[in-house]
Amino acid sequence: EVQLVESGGGLVQPGGSLRLSCAASGFTFSSYEMNWVRQGPGKGLEWVSYISRSGSSIYYAESVRGRFIISRDNAKSSLYLRMNSLRAEDTAVYYCASQFSGSFELWGQGTLVTVSS
Amino acid sequence: DIVMTQSPLSLPVTLGQPASISCRSSQSLVNTDGNTYLTWFQLRPGQSPRRLIYMVSDRDSGVPDRFSGSGSGTDFTLKISRVEAEDVGMYYCMQGKQWPPWTFGQGTKVEIK
Repeated sequence: EVQLVESGGGLVQPGGSLRLSCAASGFTFSSYEMNWVRQGPGKGLEWVSYISRSGSSIYYAESVRGRFIISRDNAKSSLYLRMNSLRAEDTAVYYCASQFSGSFELWGQGTLVTVSS
Repeated sequence: DIVMTQSPLSLPVTLGQPASISCRSSQSLVNTDGNTYLTWFQLRPGQSPRRLIYMVSDRDSGVPDRFSGSGSGTDFTLKISRVEAEDVGMYYCMQGKQWPPWTFGQGTKVEIK
């Protein structure tokens, strides 16, 4: 079955860190560009970060640049998001999504990150 | 950044009746390769986002044919020919022409009257 499964979310204090993982299965992970997208409580979808197939090109939303780090391990068919200096406004469900035909084709079920003291 | 504007933000519909959501971009979404990168997503309660339509009008595999996308340049529309109960949820348009960042509309909440 073609799927993406996120993990690693949880409750963290402001200023803390967390690492999210996204495990891909059922398709050739290394052939796809990947993204992280989030949805805050009562908010819409917000693109967070992008990584190319090889990992050589990386982009971040302005809201997370300098705090978040995206990476991938094609041998493990996995995508990661290291989140540092977390703020209350980073509270959201985080989705990983594969990119195809200029948009986000396949999404995971999401993992909830709550930043609160 | 390209700004995406959806309307309406709330759409009460009667089962079996048609529904239409508009999405406008602040710039043309026609790329130099000739393709127009406008996508529609559905978020049903408790589920992850699902891509319905890409490149304006191409329906994803498994998407019911009551969903259709149209438009060009800066004006786009998602139509549901006959709304079913399972169509309740949020709908978002997204541009993929000029990135980063990829940008989404505010979302339209479809609910049954």
